[in-house]
Amino acid sequence: DVVMTQSPISLPVTLGQPASISCRSSQSLVHSNGNTYLNWFQQRPGQSPRRLIYEVSKRDSGVPDRFSGSGSGTDFTLKISRVEAEDVGVYYCMQGTHWPPWTFGQGTKVEIK
Amino acid sequence: EVQVVESGGGLVQPGESLRLSCAASGFTFSSYWMSWVRQAPGKGLEWVANIKHDGSEKYYVDSVKGRFTISRDNAKNSLYLQMDSLRAEDTAVYYCARARGFEIWGQGTMVTVS
Repeated sequence: DVVMTQSPISLPVTLGQPASISCRSSQSLVHSNGNTYLNWFQQRPGQSPRRLIYEVSKRDSGVPDRFSGSGSGTDFTLKISRVEAEDVGVYYCMQGTHWPPWTFGQGTKVEIK
Repeated sequence: EVQVVESGGGLVQPGESLRLSCAASGFTFSSYWMSWVRQAPGKGLEWVANIKHDGSEKYYVDSVKGRFTISRDNAKNSLYLQMDSLRAEDTAVYYCARARGFEIWGQGTMVTVS
Protein backbone atom coordinates (compact mmCIF):
# COMPACT_ATOMS: atom_id res chain seq x y z
CA ASP A 1 0.00 0.00 0.00
CA VAL A 2 1.12 3.57 -0.67
CA VAL A 3 1.72 5.51 2.53
CA MET A 4 1.06 9.24 2.41
CA THR A 5 2.96 11.37 4.94
CA GLN A 6 2.07 15.00 5.53
CA SER A 7 4.02 17.68 7.35
CA PRO A 8 3.59 19.59 9.46
CA ILE A 9 0.72 18.08 11.40
CA SER A 10 -0.16 21.49 12.85
CA LEU A 11 0.39 24.81 11.09
CA PRO A 12 -0.28 28.09 12.94
CA VAL A 13 -0.30 30.95 10.46
CA THR A 14 -0.79 34.69 10.54
CA LEU A 15 -3.63 36.14 8.51
CA GLY A 16 -2.36 37.39 5.17
CA GLN A 17 0.81 35.32 5.34
CA PRO A 18 1.64 32.32 3.13
CA ALA A 19 1.32 28.70 4.23
CA SER A 20 2.78 25.51 2.81
CA ILE A 21 1.90 21.86 3.43
CA SER A 22 4.07 18.96 2.31
CA CYS A 23 2.87 15.52 1.27
CA ARG A 24 5.20 12.63 0.50
CA SER A 25 4.25 9.24 -0.91
CA SER A 26 6.08 5.97 -0.27
CA GLN A 27 6.33 5.37 -4.01
CA SER A 28 6.05 7.43 -7.15
CA LEU A 29 2.50 8.49 -7.98
CA VAL A 30 3.11 8.65 -11.72
CA HIS A 31 0.57 6.34 -13.36
CA SER A 32 1.44 4.19 -16.34
CA ASN A 33 -0.69 6.57 -18.42
CA GLY A 34 1.60 9.48 -17.49
CA ASN A 35 -0.85 11.19 -15.15
CA THR A 36 -0.25 11.73 -11.44
CA TYR A 37 -3.34 11.21 -9.30
CA LEU A 38 -2.66 13.35 -6.24
CA ASN A 39 -5.56 15.28 -4.72
CA TRP A 40 -5.79 17.85 -1.95
CA PHE A 41 -8.87 18.24 0.24
CA GLN A 42 -9.96 20.88 2.73
CA GLN A 43 -12.17 20.04 5.69
CA ARG A 44 -13.43 23.05 7.59
CA PRO A 45 -14.62 22.54 11.18
CA GLY A 46 -17.90 20.64 11.23
CA GLN A 47 -18.03 20.24 7.45
CA SER A 48 -17.51 17.50 4.91
CA PRO A 49 -14.27 17.33 2.95
CA ARG A 50 -14.04 19.41 -0.20
CA ARG A 51 -11.64 18.73 -3.03
CA LEU A 52 -9.41 21.71 -3.83
CA ILE A 53 -6.80 20.32 -6.18
CA TYR A 54 -6.65 17.25 -8.43
CA GLU A 55 -3.85 15.73 -10.50
CA VAL A 56 -1.25 17.65 -8.46
CA SER A 57 -2.00 21.17 -9.64
CA LYS A 58 -5.47 21.48 -11.21
CA ARG A 59 -7.76 23.68 -9.15
CA ASP A 60 -11.39 22.70 -8.78
CA SER A 61 -14.11 25.09 -9.85
CA GLY A 62 -14.76 27.80 -7.27
CA VAL A 63 -11.48 27.29 -5.44
CA PRO A 64 -9.72 30.63 -4.84
CA ASP A 65 -6.54 31.11 -6.80
CA ARG A 66 -4.58 31.64 -3.57
CA PHE A 67 -4.53 27.83 -3.39
CA SER A 68 -1.97 26.09 -5.58
CA GLY A 69 -0.58 22.59 -5.85
CA SER A 70 2.79 21.48 -7.13
CA GLY A 71 5.20 18.58 -7.09
CA SER A 72 6.05 15.39 -8.87
CA GLY A 73 6.96 11.77 -8.24
CA THR A 74 6.80 11.39 -4.48
CA ASP A 75 6.94 14.99 -3.21
CA PHE A 76 3.98 17.34 -3.35
CA THR A 77 3.05 20.71 -1.87
CA LEU A 78 -0.12 22.67 -1.24
CA LYS A 79 0.45 26.39 -0.90
CA ILE A 80 -1.87 29.13 0.28
CA SER A 81 -0.47 32.44 -0.90
CA ARG A 82 -2.23 34.60 1.70
CA VAL A 83 -4.15 32.84 4.46
CA GLU A 84 -7.67 34.05 5.18
CA ALA A 85 -9.84 33.24 8.19
CA GLU A 86 -12.03 30.90 6.10
CA ASP A 87 -8.98 28.71 5.35
CA VAL A 88 -8.93 27.33 8.91
CA GLY A 89 -9.40 23.58 8.91
CA VAL A 90 -7.66 20.31 8.17
CA TYR A 91 -6.03 19.61 4.81
CA TYR A 92 -5.50 16.11 3.42
CA CYS A 93 -3.59 14.78 0.46
CA MET A 94 -4.79 11.57 -1.19
CA GLN A 95 -3.36 9.33 -3.88
CA GLY A 96 -5.44 7.63 -6.55
CA THR A 97 -2.66 6.12 -8.67
CA HIS A 98 -1.96 2.79 -6.96
CA TRP A 99 -5.23 1.27 -5.84
CA PRO A 100 -6.69 -0.37 -3.98
CA PRO A 101 -6.48 1.05 -1.46
CA TRP A 102 -6.91 4.75 -2.11
CA THR A 103 -4.89 6.35 0.69
CA PHE A 104 -4.99 9.66 2.53
CA GLY A 105 -2.35 11.54 4.44
CA GLN A 106 -2.91 11.98 8.15
CA GLY A 107 -3.99 15.59 7.77
CA THR A 108 -2.54 19.03 8.53
CA LYS A 109 -4.46 21.35 10.83
CA VAL A 110 -4.24 25.00 9.77
CA GLU A 111 -5.08 27.51 12.47
CA ILE A 112 -4.71 31.25 12.90
CA LYS A 113 -2.04 32.50 15.30
CA GLU B 1 -27.35 20.64 -8.38
CA VAL B 2 -24.90 17.78 -8.16
CA GLN B 3 -25.18 16.16 -4.75
CA VAL B 4 -25.13 12.97 -2.74
CA VAL B 5 -27.05 12.49 0.51
CA GLU B 6 -26.31 9.73 3.00
CA SER B 7 -28.73 8.14 5.42
CA GLY B 8 -29.07 5.09 7.64
CA GLY B 9 -26.60 5.77 10.40
CA GLY B 10 -27.35 5.13 14.04
CA LEU B 11 -26.37 3.44 17.29
CA VAL B 12 -25.89 -0.32 17.24
CA GLN B 13 -24.29 -2.90 19.48
CA PRO B 14 -21.12 -4.81 18.58
CA GLY B 15 -21.88 -7.70 16.25
CA GLU B 16 -25.00 -6.10 14.82
CA SER B 17 -25.65 -4.90 11.27
CA LEU B 18 -26.52 -1.61 9.61
CA ARG B 19 -27.22 -0.57 6.02
CA LEU B 20 -26.21 2.86 4.81
CA SER B 21 -27.74 4.49 1.75
CA CYS B 22 -26.58 7.31 -0.48
CA ALA B 23 -28.99 9.06 -2.85
CA ALA B 24 -27.36 10.77 -5.82
CA SER B 25 -28.81 13.54 -7.97
CA GLY B 26 -27.77 16.08 -10.54
CA PHE B 27 -25.47 13.78 -12.50
CA THR B 28 -25.57 10.54 -14.48
CA PHE B 29 -25.07 8.18 -11.54
CA SER B 30 -24.64 5.11 -13.74
CA SER B 31 -21.54 6.62 -15.35
CA TYR B 32 -19.48 7.01 -12.20
CA TRP B 33 -17.57 4.89 -9.75
CA MET B 34 -18.76 5.58 -6.20
CA SER B 35 -17.04 5.39 -2.84
CA TRP B 36 -17.52 5.21 0.90
CA VAL B 37 -15.01 7.04 3.10
CA ARG B 38 -15.14 7.17 6.89
CA GLN B 39 -13.81 9.39 9.62
CA ALA B 40 -13.58 8.20 13.22
CA PRO B 41 -14.20 10.86 15.88
CA GLY B 42 -11.29 13.29 15.95
CA LYS B 43 -9.37 11.28 13.33
CA GLY B 44 -8.47 11.52 9.67
CA LEU B 45 -10.12 10.24 6.54
CA GLU B 46 -10.06 6.53 5.66
CA TRP B 47 -11.20 5.08 2.35
CA VAL B 48 -13.56 2.15 2.94
CA ALA B 49 -14.88 0.83 -0.37
CA ASN B 50 -15.31 1.60 -4.08
CA ILE B 51 -17.65 0.23 -6.71
CA LYS B 52 -17.39 0.53 -10.47
CA HIS B 53 -20.14 2.32 -12.39
CA ASP B 54 -21.78 -0.96 -13.43
CA GLY B 55 -21.15 -2.79 -10.15
CA SER B 56 -18.77 -5.26 -11.81
CA GLU B 57 -15.80 -4.37 -9.62
CA LYS B 58 -15.73 -3.77 -5.88
CA TYR B 59 -12.80 -2.95 -3.63
CA TYR B 60 -12.49 -2.77 0.16
CA VAL B 61 -10.00 -1.67 2.78
CA ASP B 62 -8.57 -4.75 4.51
CA SER B 63 -10.20 -3.96 7.86
CA VAL B 64 -13.74 -4.37 6.47
CA LYS B 65 -13.26 -7.20 3.98
CA GLY B 66 -15.73 -10.01 4.64
CA ARG B 67 -17.89 -7.77 6.86
CA PHE B 68 -18.96 -4.88 4.61
CA THR B 69 -20.59 -5.05 1.17
CA ILE B 70 -20.85 -2.13 -1.21
CA SER B 71 -23.61 -2.20 -3.81
CA ARG B 72 -25.59 0.12 -6.05
CA ASP B 73 -28.90 0.40 -7.85
CA ASN B 74 -28.42 2.55 -10.93
CA ALA B 75 -32.16 2.59 -11.61
CA LYS B 76 -32.64 4.29 -8.25
CA ASN B 77 -29.48 6.43 -8.36
CA SER B 78 -28.50 4.90 -5.07
CA LEU B 79 -25.39 3.54 -3.38
CA TYR B 80 -25.40 1.25 -0.37
CA LEU B 81 -23.06 -0.07 2.29
CA GLN B 82 -24.16 -3.18 4.15
CA MET B 83 -22.19 -3.39 7.37
CA ASP B 84 -22.25 -6.68 9.27
CA SER B 85 -20.44 -7.86 12.39
CA LEU B 86 -19.87 -4.27 13.43
CA ARG B 87 -17.07 -3.46 15.85
CA ALA B 88 -16.38 -0.51 18.12
CA GLU B 89 -13.59 0.56 15.76
CA ASP B 90 -16.15 1.00 12.96
CA THR B 91 -17.57 3.99 14.83
CA ALA B 92 -17.24 6.92 12.43
CA VAL B 93 -18.97 9.37 10.16
CA TYR B 94 -19.46 7.60 6.83
CA TYR B 95 -19.29 9.72 3.71
CA CYS B 96 -20.51 8.85 0.25
CA ALA B 97 -18.32 10.32 -2.48
CA ARG B 98 -18.26 10.30 -6.25
CA ALA B 99 -15.13 8.40 -7.23
CA ARG B 100 -12.55 8.07 -8.48
CA GLY B 101 -11.88 11.79 -8.23
CA PHE B 102 -13.65 12.17 -4.88
CA GLU B 103 -14.91 15.49 -6.16
CA ILE B 104 -18.40 15.28 -4.67
CA TRP B 105 -19.04 14.43 -1.00
CA GLY B 106 -22.16 14.12 1.08
CA GLN B 107 -22.71 15.51 4.55
CA GLY B 108 -22.05 12.13 6.14
CA THR B 109 -24.01 9.82 8.42
CA MET B 110 -22.83 8.85 11.90
CA VAL B 111 -22.45 5.22 12.87
CA THR B 112 -21.84 4.43 16.53
CA VAL B 113 -21.03 0.90 17.64
CA SER B 114 -21.32 0.63 21.41
